[in-house]
Amino acid sequence: AQSVTQLGSHVSVSEGALVLLRCNYSSSVPPYLFWYVQYPNQGLQLLLKYTTGATLVKGINGFEAEFKKSETSFHLTKPSAHMSDAAEYFCAVRSQGNQFYFGTGTSLTVIP
Amino acid sequence: GAGVSQSPRYKVAKRGQDVALRCDPISGHVSLFWYQQALGQGPEFLTYFQNEAQLDKSGLPSDRFFAERPEGSVSTLKIQRTQQEDSAVYLCASSFSGQGAYGYTFGSGTRLTVV
Repeated sequence: AQSVTQLGSHVSVSEGALVLLRCNYSSSVPPYLFWYVQYPNQGLQLLLKYTTGATLVKGINGFEAEFKKSETSFHLTKPSAHMSDAAEYFCAVRSQGNQFYFGTGTSLTVIP
Repeated sequence: GAGVSQSPRYKVAKRGQDVALRCDPISGHVSLFWYQQALGQGPEFLTYFQNEAQLDKSGLPSDRFFAERPEGSVSTLKIQRTQQEDSAVYLCASSFSGQGAYGYTFGSGTRLTVV
């Protein structure tokens, strides 16, 4: 079975500060891992994904995430937050099946 | 089209009413998924199509929910005798392939409110 835990349903950072959104997963097989962003009243937009190979993955808008198998983690980071980063972020895992398992989301607030 | 299109964007239904939600995937995308996103929650899987075949419907919460994709492109999610607990955003996603590590392209969703 697969599952995703996102620690912290709400995260606030100052503009220009480091963004760190945590994600831990559970999977019985090597997973594919994803981060999606959702702006108000919009669908989910893919930020980045890990499939195989390099464990540090770079995505759009300056985000990156590192797959750490030993910690079963896939935390999302961005060195310097922008006001436009304020949104809901979802971590998701997909293994051998076709469906994604999403976390409950983390709402990011950026304080000017 | 350029993206996944869903209609209507908003739907208010009286309890007991039937509703139909439409998804128009990206042209050529083989796989199509429906997800239900309750307020403050992550999306939860409902059903999956590969072309016109419904390969997985394990996430449909009751027999009041029905999905179809008769020609392998547009899909409709139908909810019969709507209940208040059906209020949610219904997201459609499509992918070029059901295999491998493809991320999906999501539509903007249909927000269903049952009153």
